[in-house]
Amino acid sequence: GAGVSQSPSNKVTEKGKDVELRCDPISGHTALYWYRQSLGQGLEFLIYFQGNSAPDKSGLPSDRFSAERTGGSVSTLTIQRTQQEDSAVYLCASSPTRLALTSDRTDTQYFGPGTRLTVL
Amino acid sequence: AQSVSQHNHHVILSEAASLELGCNYSYGGTVNLFWYVQYPGQHLQLLLKYFSGDPLVKGIKGFEAEFKRSQSSFNLRKPSVQWSDTAEYFCAVIPNYGQNFVFGPGTRLSVLP
Repeated sequence: GAGVSQSPSNKVTEKGKDVELRCDPISGHTALYWYRQSLGQGLEFLIYFQGNSAPDKSGLPSDRFSAERTGGSVSTLTIQRTQQEDSAVYLCASSPTRLALTSDRTDTQYFGPGTRLTVL
Repeated sequence: AQSVSQHNHHVILSEAASLELGCNYSYGGTVNLFWYVQYPGQHLQLLLKYFSGDPLVKGIKGFEAEFKRSQSSFNLRKPSVQWSDTAEYFCAVIPNYGQNFVFGPGTRLSVLP
């Protein structure tokens, strides 16, 4: 019955290195979302998965960013050749179905605690 | 391009004061609208959402929001705030059957005891 978990909770890396961020959604949730929260800039949508497929990747800020989801569960967000502007909190969320398709007022999107990425 | 604006960056109120946080969006089609809250040190939570029907939507913790199509607005209200409402509030929009959430920059609410 655990919520959405993310690892690591904090990651400090040097500019130019690759990083992988992991998200474990709530069991049975088919929809998974990645967001980026930068200081003073609010939330930025990155990518959405329905099952293992990502119908729309247009939110990814550059081709250094990629994400995959396997087995309809765990997702990893990979940032290659990190830059200082990539420093942010990366949030993952899951929901039982794609949020915008349901009118059920009890449905919701559950967020994880985030991974704070610092690129030196 | 879609965008969401929130008029106030930081709102400071005393307990029992009434709250209204503004949210406007720019999108020509049918949209779904959300308010999220992030309490200090906690995860983002969904407060309420609008898909269709009654434009006045009731959410958790006594919050409500009203969708006004003519003004492209979805303002969040609470008649009487409590110290525990201190948090950051985000408005978000997604086109009907769309996939791309667009969040506003957030409004920080500080409620003084």
